[in-house]
Amino acid sequence: DAGITQSPRHKVTETGTPVTLRCHQTENHRYMYWYRQDPGHGLRLIHYSYGVKDTDKGEVSDGYSVSRSKTEDFLLTLESATSSQTSVYFCASATSGSLTGELFFGEGSRLTVL
Amino acid sequence: GIQVEQSPPDLILQEGANSTLRCNFSDSVNNLQWFHQNPWGQLINLFYIPSGTKQNGRLSATTVATERYSLLYISSSQTTDSGVYFCAVKTGANSKLTFGKGITLSVRP
Repeated sequence: DAGITQSPRHKVTETGTPVTLRCHQTENHRYMYWYRQDPGHGLRLIHYSYGVKDTDKGEVSDGYSVSRSKTEDFLLTLESATSSQTSVYFCASATSGSLTGELFFGEGSRLTVL
Repeated sequence: GIQVEQSPPDLILQEGANSTLRCNFSDSVNNLQWFHQNPWGQLINLFYIPSGTKQNGRLSATTVATERYSLLYISSSQTTDSGVYFCAVKTGANSKLTFGKGITLSVRP
C-alpha cells in the first residue's frame, strides 16, 4: 500500500475555531483526495487535487478549503469549525485520475467539534 | 451521477462459511475497487478490478462491466473478515471515485 499518513489522527476542538488536517504521501502520486465518513452517508468527497496548486470541489465542499503546495502534501482546512463537521476524515492518493489510478487511503483523522 | 448499489446491506456468517457480496452500478465504468474497512476504521484495498476476475487467497472478485456489476467472494470466512466492504467506481474522464454505502459483514466464531 501507498505510504499515506494523516495528522493529527484525533482532534477535539470548539465551534468557531480553525482546524487544519494534513495528508502526506511518499508515493509521488499526482492525485489526492479528502473524504469524510459519517454514519448513514458512507464516504463523501470533499475536495481533490490533480496536481500542485490544482484543486477542485467534491460533493460536500462547503465550509472546507484545501491547498497543495507540494506533490506530497494536501491540506484540508476548516476555517471556522461547526458541529456538523464532526466526522472521520480520510485522505487518499492515486497515480492517475481517470482510466487507471488505484486509490489508497490514509488511516483517517477523527475530528470532534464541540 | 453514477449510482452504486451494494447488497445485501448486512450479512452475518458463521466462521467457515462462504459469501458473495454484490455491487451494481448504473453506468459504464473504467475503474472499480473493493475496499475492506476493518473494525478499527482502516480502509484496506482488496481489489482493483475494472473487469475480469482476480483472486487473492480466500478472496476473489469478478467484474462484468458490460452487465454493470461486480461480485466479491469470501470463502472459508474468518472473524477477521468482519467489517464493512465498499465498492467504488469511476466513470468516463471523471477522476472522482463514487462509493456505495457498504456491506456490513459480521463473522461469528
